[in-house]
Amino acid sequence: SQKIEQNSEALNIQEGKTATLTCNYTNYSPAYLQWYRQDPGRGPVFLLLIRENEKEKRKERLKVTFDTTLKQSLFHITASQPADSATYLCALNKLIFGAGTRLAVHP
Amino acid sequence: EAQVTQNPRYLITVTGKKLTVTCSQNMNHEYMSWYRQDPGLGLRQIYYSMNVEVTDKGDVPEGYKVSRKEKRNFPLILESPSPNQTSLYFCASSPRTGRDEQFFGPGTRLTVL
Repeated sequence: SQKIEQNSEALNIQEGKTATLTCNYTNYSPAYLQWYRQDPGRGPVFLLLIRENEKEKRKERLKVTFDTTLKQSLFHITASQPADSATYLCALNKLIFGAGTRLAVHP
Repeated sequence: EAQVTQNPRYLITVTGKKLTVTCSQNMNHEYMSWYRQDPGLGLRQIYYSMNVEVTDKGDVPEGYKVSRKEKRNFPLILESPSPNQTSLYFCASSPRTGRDEQFFGPGTRLTVL
């Protein structure tokens, strides 16, 4: 069956460092992959979309890579700030969501 | 302001009492969907609609119904709620199928006793 995995453990990093979150998938060949941010008690908010023929996408301090051979996407936040603390979800096309990884950025 | 609205935001009910959660979007989006979110399981799609009068099952449709009589509204109906439907529910919309970001509503926290 199709499966999408994100690191279930929280990622704790120091302010100013780069946060890297991983999204792995199996038994699926997505045309694109999306990343969302979710704050406690609120709906997910779209961040970035990357297509299967794109290796990398950037938006301000955010960078996403997409390796269809490894079946993996990496999500990077450079110069992280405490305001970046949230749960980050990846989604294949738009039907399958991962459980999310909680990021905590400490001052 | 472009948005997806859901009502109610919080609901506590008892087993078997029919309820409806409303969802409305003001962006003229064709695609709408409902998700439930449970700890450790992430977002799971319940139903989706590609346009007016067109609906289809997602991954976890059992116990739920939907309708799409107007483009802007996509209500979720629980005919006979059970405790295992206690969850956080999100409605979402997007301009087209399969190619666009989804805009999520604020969520409805449902507790079935």
